[in-house]
Amino acid sequence: GAVVSQHPSWVICKSGTSVKIECRSLDFQATTMFWYRQFPKQSLMLMATSNEGSKATYEQGVEKDKFLINHASLTLSTLTVTSAHPEDSSFYICSARQTYEQYFGPGTRLTVT
Amino acid sequence: EDKVVQSPLSLVVHEGDTVTLNCSYEVTNFRSLLWYKQEKKAPTFLFMLTSSGIEKKSGRLSSILDKKELFSILNITATQTGDSAVYLCAVKTSYDKVIFGPGTSLSVIP
Repeated sequence: GAVVSQHPSWVICKSGTSVKIECRSLDFQATTMFWYRQFPKQSLMLMATSNEGSKATYEQGVEKDKFLINHASLTLSTLTVTSAHPEDSSFYICSARQTYEQYFGPGTRLTVT
Repeated sequence: EDKVVQSPLSLVVHEGDTVTLNCSYEVTNFRSLLWYKQEKKAPTFLFMLTSSGIEKKSGRLSSILDKKELFSILNITATQTGDSAVYLCAVKTSYDKVIFGPGTSLSVIP
């Protein structure tokens, strides 16, 4: 089946720094990737839709200047959390679309101290 | 506003029991309904349902969609401890957006 990887799997950073999370589709090309955030004991919340070669589409309430998304190739999308704060601590999951299916990455646990 | 509702939110059963998880939705431009199982990390895909009344089965799991009443159920028969997880229902719209429900946390005790 299709495989999506994320790197890093977990990261701890200090408040005010920026963190980049990578999402890669390993064995297929994905024109569309999605970024989700999941707080403890809550469901996945879609943050943005990332389209290769164009600007990401952000969901209402998600700050585009804080969560920078770049989808520079058909196999890679990156999410950069800028000037991270403790409230940004969460589980970030990406998914990549192949035809009609979405395949999820393993997630990245971000802790901001 | 598009929304997906699941019930119950949590459930504890004994091994061997049969469980039914519910999902109802209100979305514009419905395209498909998806079920996922989430253990410690990211969700894993279970089923995609697009047509009413057609049951999908995979081992002890089965699911069906009712597009008229806007709901779906996920059945798990002869539950095992390995079935303990959060089961997420999600609806995909024609705008390629996937909206997740809050999930049902299932605990199967020996």
